[in-house]
Amino acid sequence: EAQVTQNPRYLITVTGKKLTVTCSQNMNHEYMSWYRQDPGLGLRQIYYSMNVEVTDKGDVPEGYKVSRKEKRNFPLILESPSPNQTSLYFCASSLGLAGGRETQYFGPGTRLLVL
Amino acid sequence: RKEVEQDPGPFNVPEGATVAFNCTYSNSASQSFFWYRQDCRKEPKLLMSVYSSGNEDGRFTAQLNRASQYISLLIRDSKLSDSATYLCVRGPFGNEKLTFGTGTRLTIIP
Repeated sequence: EAQVTQNPRYLITVTGKKLTVTCSQNMNHEYMSWYRQDPGLGLRQIYYSMNVEVTDKGDVPEGYKVSRKEKRNFPLILESPSPNQTSLYFCASSLGLAGGRETQYFGPGTRLLVL
Repeated sequence: RKEVEQDPGPFNVPEGATVAFNCTYSNSASQSFFWYRQDCRKEPKLLMSVYSSGNEDGRFTAQLNRASQYISLLIRDSKLSDSATYLCVRGPFGNEKLTFGTGTRLTIIP
């Protein structure tokens, strides 16, 4: 089954404790991205990757890191989480973005609470 | 002005009615748009793409008005299962990213 998976789905942590949210897709997609969704602010892009070893900042990259060592995986790293990073996080992938005509497939989301 | 702006609602509509909502965008050069549907606490899923003047899929019609810079979504004969948040999305332009609206919440009432 074609899908985007994220782990963990729910996470409660404390300020400053490094964490990683994994994202994996089995569709051989080139484009992957991370979003956070907050009430009243909608989905905001954190980082995206056009292909292996190619990553770039989105709208709200501060406090986050990513890596793309393999095509299928795109982990999101919070080196020192803070309470303002409490949010719902989505990973997404698409075949590409050529002409803007590619469907984005979203993972099920990760709910993060930073105390 | 926000790049993509939607009326957040909520829209409470009786079952069987027709409902329409708009989304305005600020960049007149934008070429592609999408409507995504998001159920409560779930991931967004593509509903329709809008590339030219419009697109129709069953009970759903999306239209693009480039002169006034808005896209619309029309749902006919609404069903209870149409209750969701509808996200307007502007396709990538230049900087290779999608831009999401904050969403319009729709509740269909029996």
